[in-house]
Amino acid sequence: QVQLVQSGAEVKKPGASVKVSCKVSGYTLTELSMHWVRQAPGKGLEWMGGFDPEDGETIYAQKFQGRVTMTEDTSTDTASMELSSLRSEDTAVYYCAHLRSGWYKEHYFDYWGQGTLVTVSS
Amino acid sequence: DIQMTQSPSSLSASVGDRVTITCRASQSISSYLNWYQQKPGKAPKLLIYAASSLQSGVPSRFSGSGSGTDFTLTISSLQPEDFATYYCQQSYSTPPVTFGQGTRLEIK
Repeated sequence: QVQLVQSGAEVKKPGASVKVSCKVSGYTLTELSMHWVRQAPGKGLEWMGGFDPEDGETIYAQKFQGRVTMTEDTSTDTASMELSSLRSEDTAVYYCAHLRSGWYKEHYFDYWGQGTLVTVSS
Repeated sequence: DIQMTQSPSSLSASVGDRVTITCRASQSISSYLNWYQQKPGKAPKLLIYAASSLQSGVPSRFSGSGSGTDFTLTISSLQPEDFATYYCQQSYSTPPVTFGQGTRLEIK
């Protein structure tokens, strides 16, 4: 059973950066394809990016290109997502989630972290 | 990018009702469509993957169908714990992974 435990809530000022971590247990990080999804207050789910096991690379949503960096520390089985140049619109709950791959294009998020609220306010 | 549109955006129903939620893709996605349930303050939970496969541990009152551009999530007999927001998500053409805007299911 995979468990994903995220770091605590953050309050940041506009222009700052935030780093959210996601600790894996039950599996090793190298066995998982970790992605990040965010949800603004009262809004839907928005995919930010994640590890593509087919290419062996991290892919980012175009919207966040240049502002987001996703990293993995396999020694501690911890994935991290850093978002820079924060603005008020980045206020959201950020989730890490494992993307399971089945046959061909069958990909779905079967394990999720509990979420981390990031508030951007002056 | 493939756009996913859910309907309705919200609906009210009673315990025991049969409920259907629709998700439409902007182009054919074969059967690469997943459904999630999200309760307030909680992470989404996978219900259905590949349009009609029930995730382990999910009650059999949940079912999914469809292929191409039109998909449905059906709850055969609503239970009190089913009142939540439901999202569809396509995996046919990625990146990006795209979700529907959500359907909020409320108690009548």
